Amino acid sequence: LVLTQSPGTLSLSPGDRATLSCGASLKINNDYLAWYQQKPGQAPRLIVYGASTRATGIPDRFIGSGSGTDFTLTISRLEAEDFAVYYCQQYGSSPRVFGPGTRVDIK
Amino acid sequence: EVHLAQSGAEVKKPGQSLRISCQGSGYSFSTYWIGWVRQRPGEGLEWMGVIFPVDSDTKYSPSFQGQVTISADTSINTVYLQWNSLKVSDSAMYYCARRDYNGYDDYWGQGTLVTVSS
Repeated sequence: LVLTQSPGTLSLSPGDRATLSCGASLKINNDYLAWYQQKPGQAPRLIVYGASTRATGIPDRFIGSGSGTDFTLTISRLEAEDFAVYYCQQYGSSPRVFGPGTRVDIK
Repeated sequence: EVHLAQSGAEVKKPGQSLRISCQGSGYSFSTYWIGWVRQRPGEGLEWMGVIFPVDSDTKYSPSFQGQVTISADTSINTVYLQWNSLKVSDSAMYYCARRDYNGYDDYWGQGTLVTVSS
């Protein structure tokens, strides 16, 4: 199973809406798809699991959606702390696989 | 509070051995899987493998099978990642992460930087 993410880089301004895509080469079992945020010099942080459930403490501007092979992470209004790299990961089958990441940077 | 504390940065020469660690606290350590993830400089995340500490059941990504060994010591709530003969290409940041009962990685260690250079 291979995950692809698009776009590679998203250049946006604070207040903009960000739409990140994650595609799978095979159907992901039970929609077991997670999104992680990673800032420079930091460990990844869980944002969404089960395709659409926000992790503890994650603001509601982060919205996960999708099923099967096509998934989306939407950040409704970007705040300064949201500029980071976002990875999707499937955990429905072994081996676990991460996508290559989408960098969201400030325009 | 769940916390995963990783051992400090290492600088090694090719061919040397190394073991890095990840100590869990704030939860029932033995009953959660813990995995390791590699991140080479400027690159993405690669899942390496995972261990269930209570019985040391271990699963490896095919890319890392035979290249590393994952082990655990439940007496000190610690999981290890070990190399017998390091290569320059093993230079990377290594993260441990706790696997939630539903399978996603919910808590991460701070990372251990491994540098292999002659």
